[in-house]
Amino acid sequence: DTAVSQTPKYLVTQMGNDKSIKCEQNLGHDTMYWYKQDSKKFLKIMFSYNNKELIINETVPNRFSPKSPDKAHLNLHINSLELGDSAVYFCASSQGLGSGGSEQFFGPGTRLTVL
Amino acid sequence: AQSVTQLDSQVPVFEEAPVELRCNYSSSVSVYLFWYVQYPNQGLQLLLKYLSGSTLVKGINGFEAEFNKSQTSFHLRKPSVHISDTAEYFCAVSITGGGNKLTFGTGTQLKVEL
Repeated sequence: DTAVSQTPKYLVTQMGNDKSIKCEQNLGHDTMYWYKQDSKKFLKIMFSYNNKELIINETVPNRFSPKSPDKAHLNLHINSLELGDSAVYFCASSQGLGSGGSEQFFGPGTRLTVL
Repeated sequence: AQSVTQLDSQVPVFEEAPVELRCNYSSSVSVYLFWYVQYPNQGLQLLLKYLSGSTLVKGINGFEAEFNKSQTSFHLRKPSVHISDTAEYFCAVSITGGGNKLTFGTGTQLKVEL
């Protein structure tokens, strides 16, 4: 009955590698997001998609590329991983953009460690 | 651009005592305000939100918050905390037409002790 799921939960990899994190929601929502939580627990939005259309694209290195094959999935691909990419990445979803007050439901997070 | 300040990085409190976690925001336009809780090694869960109307908002687990426009604050309160309330609490803001983007504060670690 998981609402927002992410795989993998943990990801340990070497610098320079390419990796992907997958996110799926079964809430029937049409908007999905990626957030990054750093080692000090600060959360910052990276991207959002609404009906598979990119809505928010914050100042993120272009090594990060989101892909939304359908409304229920939003994957994050990271090329040429760097030490500074180590963080917890959270996927979230909401029903529409509303007027800005739509509740976002978060996944359990993926802890990425770059060695 | 909007911003959120959570002045207290850690708040220790004894069980059954009341607690207030402070949140102040800055924005040139009207805002929507949220409090999320993050238990260890878990994702975020919405505690409560203010969109409009009554400035006193009640949420889950006995928490409530009051929106104060003149002081640009949205402090979170609970009259009697439990050990299970130990977690990280995040205040967040979004604005109309902002793509539902949440801007978070730096979080407050609530530690409930016996």
